[in-house]
This record gives sequence, C-alpha cells and structure tokens, in this order.
Amino acid sequence: EPEVTQTPSHQVTQMGQEVILRCVPISNHLYFYWYRQILGQKVEFLVSFYNNEISEKSEIFDDQFSVERPDGSNFTLKIRSTKLEDSAMYFCASRLGRMEGGNEQYFGPGTRLTVT
Amino acid sequence: LAKTTQPISMDSYEGQEVNITCSHNNIATNDYITWYQQFPSQGPRFIIQGYKTKVTNEVASLFIPADRKSSTLSLPRVSLSDTAVYYCLVDNDYKLSFGAGTTVTVRA
Repeated sequence: EPEVTQTPSHQVTQMGQEVILRCVPISNHLYFYWYRQILGQKVEFLVSFYNNEISEKSEIFDDQFSVERPDGSNFTLKIRSTKLEDSAMYFCASRLGRMEGGNEQYFGPGTRLTVT
Repeated sequence: LAKTTQPISMDSYEGQEVNITCSHNNIATNDYITWYQQFPSQGPRFIIQGYKTKVTNEVASLFIPADRKSSTLSLPRVSLSDTAVYYCLVDNDYKLSFGAGTTVTVRA
C-alpha cells in the first residue's frame, strides 16, 4: 500500500536556526498538507497546497513558515528561525482529489522537532 | 463553538464492541462526517467517512441518523491494538479540524 514518508523522524535544533522538514506524498495525490501536534495537544492544521501554490493557511503559519514542492515528489516545510514553541510533531498529509477519493487524507509518520 | 462533541475517554475489553457517539448539532448540509484514529507518536489514520445512514468497511461501521446531528462509530470485537485516540470530524473543507478526540483503552 502506498504511504506518505517523512524525513527526518527526529530533528533537534537550536533556537533561531532554520529547519527543513521533508515529505514525500503518495505519488498520484494532488493535495498536500502540513499539520502539527504539540505534545499532549490536538492536531492543528498549518497549510494546504495545491497546484503549486498555497490554497489555505492557518494563523500559526506566519512569515517564519514556508512550503515548497521543489520537484515532482518532495514537499517541504521550512521554518526560518525556530522558536522554543515550534517544538512539536509535524505531520505531512496528502489527498488524491475530491472527485476520485473523497476527503480521505493520508498522513505520514511525522517528524518530531525539538528546539533547544 | 465546537463543531463536535465526543466523550473524552472510554474503556473496553478485548472482544467487545465499542461504540463512540459524536454530537454535531450544527452540521451543515454539505458537511461529511469522518473518523480518524491516532496511535501515540503516529500520524492520524482515516477510518471511515459518511454522509447519511450507515457506512461499513473492513474495520468499522458508521451510523448516522436521519437528522445527522450525531453519529456513532462502531468498532466490532476490539483488540488491545485498537487502543488509540479516535477523532470525529465534521467538515466540507479539505483541511481537517481535529478536536481532543476520544481515548479508547482496550484491556485484556
């Protein structure tokens, strides 16, 4: 069964450093998402991406965040200058498309980001 | 105003059926009801989705009454590995809005 993959599984960085979290969505999917989950809290939507542009973003997704699909397979989340409160599990998800597969989103295993 | 309300936790035993009811009094005409499962330190996993009546797949059933103001996820014959958090989502938007979910603990 195809799956979403994410690298690295765990990233430790110092406050103020830039990090790039990488995701490989399922190959024929068209919609891509990033979510985050702070330890013990609920899963929060960050951003959705379709047709090479951001389609929606949350209040969390400020100017420190950016997303990119640099080639036909990777989907990245960059945090320019990390803060302690960015420590969380970051999940990438992808979706086939509304007409063909409904709203089912496939999530990756996550990247645990620890900012010290 | 919360879109959904579900119990914070439920306990069960292996082999039993677990039913989790979710209230969504303000559901809109074009909203779908979707359930996800999440194990610790893993990403959420789609379980089932429905609009009305009953939907069944290989892992669960979803019962939706005619007024659609609630729904019930039914997990038949649970095992220890079904211990997880279960989320009820109601939306027509492609981004998912997760609540706190229901922590289901299955005991031997």
